[in-house]
Amino acid sequence: GQNIDQPTEMTATEGAIVQINCTYQTSGFNGLFWYQQHAGEAPTFLSYNVLDGLEEKGRFSSFLSRSKGYSYLLLKELQMKDSASYLCAANCPGGNNRLAFGKGNQVVVIP
Amino acid sequence: NAGVTQTPKFRVLKTGQSMTLLCAQDMNHEYMYWYRQDPGMGLRLIHYSVGEGTTAKGEVPDGYNVSRLKKQNFLLGLESAAPSQTSVYFCASSYSIDPGDNQPQHFGDGTRLSIL
Repeated sequence: GQNIDQPTEMTATEGAIVQINCTYQTSGFNGLFWYQQHAGEAPTFLSYNVLDGLEEKGRFSSFLSRSKGYSYLLLKELQMKDSASYLCAANCPGGNNRLAFGKGNQVVVIP
Repeated sequence: NAGVTQTPKFRVLKTGQSMTLLCAQDMNHEYMYWYRQDPGMGLRLIHYSVGEGTTAKGEVPDGYNVSRLKKQNFLLGLESAAPSQTSVYFCASSYSIDPGDNQPQHFGDGTRLSIL
């Protein structure tokens, strides 16, 4: 089975850096995805990690440690539009590209 | 391209009524998925399909049926709606190249369903 754990909410100031953590326990593992979801909207893909290390995409970076079952999403130079829920999801074993999602971390950006 | 389109966007049903949610994608994706999202529960997989004519159960399949008669469409049916099925339903689709391949899932805008 899969168990994906994320903190529920955090508040940060515009222009700051925030780190969102995700720990996972799965019976197998093919990779970890991060999605952004604004209130009332669909989740949108941000990044994924298969191998250990850091993947950078502009203001967003994602890190993975497979041995520790741990990932984080780093948001730099926070903007008001970054206020959203951030979902981590593990790619389940057995193919079919199925994802097991965490409950999401709500980030609130304040001026 | 429209991407993933869900209809309807909102619906209110009475307990015991039936309905079908439609998901259509124009990206020629092989894989399609239905999720439900409830407060404090995150996204949970209901059913999924790896190709036309095939379906499989996800994490929470009870009370739902699905069909994939055409590659671009994935239908989710509620035969006898219950208040516990009040939720936001998301459809998603993705490419697949090899088993275990990591391809991002693309989501529709969701259907907000209330069962009274």
